[in-house]
Amino acid sequence: GAVVSQHPSWVICKSGTSVKIECRSLDFQATTMFWYRQFPKQSLMLMATSNEGSKATYEQGVEKDKFLINHASLTLSTLTVTSAHPEDSSFYICSATGLAGRFEQYFGPGTRLTVT
Amino acid sequence: ELKVEQNPLFLSMQEGKNYTIYCNYSTTSDRLYWYRQDPGKSLESLFVLLSNGAVKQEGRLMASLDTKARLSTLHITAAVHDLSATYFCAVGGNDMRFGAGTRLTVKP
Repeated sequence: GAVVSQHPSWVICKSGTSVKIECRSLDFQATTMFWYRQFPKQSLMLMATSNEGSKATYEQGVEKDKFLINHASLTLSTLTVTSAHPEDSSFYICSATGLAGRFEQYFGPGTRLTVT
Repeated sequence: ELKVEQNPLFLSMQEGKNYTIYCNYSTTSDRLYWYRQDPGKSLESLFVLLSNGAVKQEGRLMASLDTKARLSTLHITAAVHDLSATYFCAVGGNDMRFGAGTRLTVKP
């Protein structure tokens, strides 16, 4: 149990375009989902926290108009990077909590975004 | 704000040797995690430590937690090449904060 998937696993897009990343909890209902960004050889930085049906809470310094997060159901959250630029190139990892009786975050496999 | 410090950041060791990675955090927390990350991959959960004095072991890795000192350790015993990876500690709940990571290389 506690499997989190992400799609796509990698994506290349042109500067100025938008790209959507999906995060799904496959075998449990995720009450809360998290989005992290990881630059090469660096640690994970929390971008935002989202609960189903409510607006995401963004960490300080994260542009909410650039990184749109939608948590439309208990099994799906999406991150849309709008008007992407090369500096947005990164490894984006989602996680989810909500497995009955467990509080840990379960991490997805990550999405590598390259903006050219 | 919760800060998590890990050291060392880089660790090169020979197979068969022992070593310890340290994780200090700045504010009280009742949850501490250790993760492993291989290049290009996401996180693999290693240990969840919830109480003072907690000790968990899995194979050649053992993690401990001292909540009074706000310190956790990840001890590696008789390292093997397969343990080469980056190890992160993380502290907190929904506001989880990660250490910078320790890049471990085990050489023959």
